[in-house]
Amino acid sequence: ELKVEQNPLFLSMQEGKNYTIYCNYSTTSDRLYWYRQDPGKSLESLFVLLSNGAVKQEGRLMASLDTKARLSTLHITAAVHDLSATYFCAVEDYQLIWGAGTKLIIKP
Amino acid sequence: DADVTQTPRNRITKTGKRIMLECSQTKGHDRMYWYRQDPGLGLRLIYYSFDVKDINKGEISDGYSVSRQAQAKFSLSLESAIPNQTALYFCATSDLGFGPPNEQFFGPGTRLTVL
Repeated sequence: ELKVEQNPLFLSMQEGKNYTIYCNYSTTSDRLYWYRQDPGKSLESLFVLLSNGAVKQEGRLMASLDTKARLSTLHITAAVHDLSATYFCAVEDYQLIWGAGTKLIIKP
Repeated sequence: DADVTQTPRNRITKTGKRIMLECSQTKGHDRMYWYRQDPGLGLRLIYYSFDVKDINKGEISDGYSVSRQAQAKFSLSLESAIPNQTALYFCATSDLGFGPPNEQFFGPGTRLTVL
């Protein structure tokens, strides 16, 4: 059974700091997705990672995929309040298998 | 206009009632999904459909049924609602094919409360 584990599940940080969210998974998939969800809102696709070594960046967010380690990271650089949200990773194994989400709170 | 719409957006009902949640999409995608979201549990797949004639059970299909009325419409029914079906329900779509990535696009969600 494919399992997807995110850590931390909750993160409170100050503006201007850097931090990384980790997504570990248990099979050999080479396709991984990151989504953002604002409170009470829907999920928005952030990054699609389709191969080992893939790296995508958008503003202060950068995602990477290491299929050999079965690990993806979402790195936040110089965090700003607007990045406060819950971030989900999902691994493709015929269907998408979702992590539990990381709730990120960025304090001004 | 939104590409994936869900109705209703909020619903409060009583135990034992039949409820239907509807999803429509204008993205032209063949694949449609119904998910349930509970706090701390991420998303769990209820049913999915790869085309009008294809319906598949997901991880937590018990107590739910679906209907794919057209390429653009996918409905979720709770035949006899129970309180532990209180959750946020999302419809999603993705493009056809095993080559392209399975990037999914989500509707705004339906918040269902069963009393």
